[in-house]
Amino acid sequence: GENVEQHPSTLSVQEGDSAVIKCTYSDSASNYFPWYKQELGKRPQLIIDIRSNVGEKKDQRIAVTLNKTAKHFSLHITETQPEDSAVYFCAASPNNDMRFGAGTRLTVKP
Amino acid sequence: NADVMQNPRHLVRRRGQEARLRCSPMKGHSHVYWYRQLPEEGLKFMVYLQKENIIDESGMPKERFSAEFPKEGPSILRIQQVVRGDSAAYFCASSKSDNTEAFFGQGTRLTVV
Repeated sequence: GENVEQHPSTLSVQEGDSAVIKCTYSDSASNYFPWYKQELGKRPQLIIDIRSNVGEKKDQRIAVTLNKTAKHFSLHITETQPEDSAVYFCAASPNNDMRFGAGTRLTVKP
Repeated sequence: NADVMQNPRHLVRRRGQEARLRCSPMKGHSHVYWYRQLPEEGLKFMVYLQKENIIDESGMPKERFSAEFPKEGPSILRIQQVVRGDSAAYFCASSKSDNTEAFFGQGTRLTVV
């Protein structure tokens, strides 16, 4: 099955700085790559996703890039704010399931 | 359902009892995923189901755990003879089809005493 690795496991930035989280996947059949944000005690919620026919996607302060050849994709958050503090999960989806990375705990210091 | 509904939200079971966790997918969704999450850890894939079919159960222990998604009614994750190590949050997610946005339920927090 698909194996997703995510780095770093923890990330601390100053408010206003950028944050980058990186993931790699193993199954070349994966063609859908969502990112989820999970606040403490709450459910994961989708923040952005990208499909394999696209190299980059942006939504306000959040962007995701995908390198199919290298089998890695990244989440970029610019102008970070304290409310961005949460655990972020990447995922990769071949046709049969959706596998998640281990998560990155992002802390934005005011 | 305009939301993915999981119940119960909290479940306490004694060792050796059975736990039944229910997940009603969002309206129009026929794909259900179950994940387990330990405190401060990630989302571990357990099983992926479509209506009346188990598509991938490679993440689910072969003993004591089973899942179903009948033609009518919610998806059920069943844990027999629970042990303390089964204590965790269990999340389900539903989607319309493969490779589309999956929406999570609020989770069931199982505590085995």
